[in-house]
Amino acid sequence: DAGVIQSPRHEVTEMGQEVTLRCKPISGHNSLFWYRQTMMRGLELLIYFNNNVPIDDSGMPEDRFSAKMPNASFSTLKIQPSEPRDSAVYFCASRTTGLQGYNEQFFGPGTRLTVL
Amino acid sequence: LAKTTQPISMDSYEGQEVNITCSHNNIATNDYITWYQQFPSQGPRFIIQGYKTKVTNEVASLFIPADRKSSTLSLPRVSLSDTAVYYCLVGPGGSQGNLIFGKGTKLSVKP
Repeated sequence: DAGVIQSPRHEVTEMGQEVTLRCKPISGHNSLFWYRQTMMRGLELLIYFNNNVPIDDSGMPEDRFSAKMPNASFSTLKIQPSEPRDSAVYFCASRTTGLQGYNEQFFGPGTRLTVL
Repeated sequence: LAKTTQPISMDSYEGQEVNITCSHNNIATNDYITWYQQFPSQGPRFIIQGYKTKVTNEVASLFIPADRKSSTLSLPRVSLSDTAVYYCLVGPGGSQGNLIFGKGTKLSVKP
């Protein structure tokens, strides 16, 4: 199993540009999570999906951020327009929810975003 | 979701046993306790999970007292490669919810 796949691994862009981050969860997993990590704020949950449906997006910082999951094998996190304060490492994680009490999330390698 | 409190940092030496304690005074009946490990430039990785008493796997042990208001992650005989940030999380299992990561405990293992 290739694990959770994220692309790109690194992204450098200029303020005002649109940024799209991509994630392929582990096959068979039905929950997907987007996190953002910075030194100041730590690891923050942005949004999560169950069976491709957004369940909780209260962590999405503002309307500039949007996330979609068109099918079970693909999700995107889009920032439009991007700002320097969006610079962070963005992680995608997936898990299966079939087991009661089993919370193991599998994280991808992350996308390091730098907005100049 | 229950709030957790754990030390910001800990130092240890190779070969020692390390115990990291986490407080979660308002843990709910259906909450589980989960620990993750994160190395620099990598995503967090699941270590262990428990509900009560003691759980042990090939990596660590998790001790949970009867009142479940705290838990202790025990790493036996640490090595330099165990230097990482360790997160304690408390939350409902299955499809009922998600996990909230706090700041974690930065463990530094020295030779």
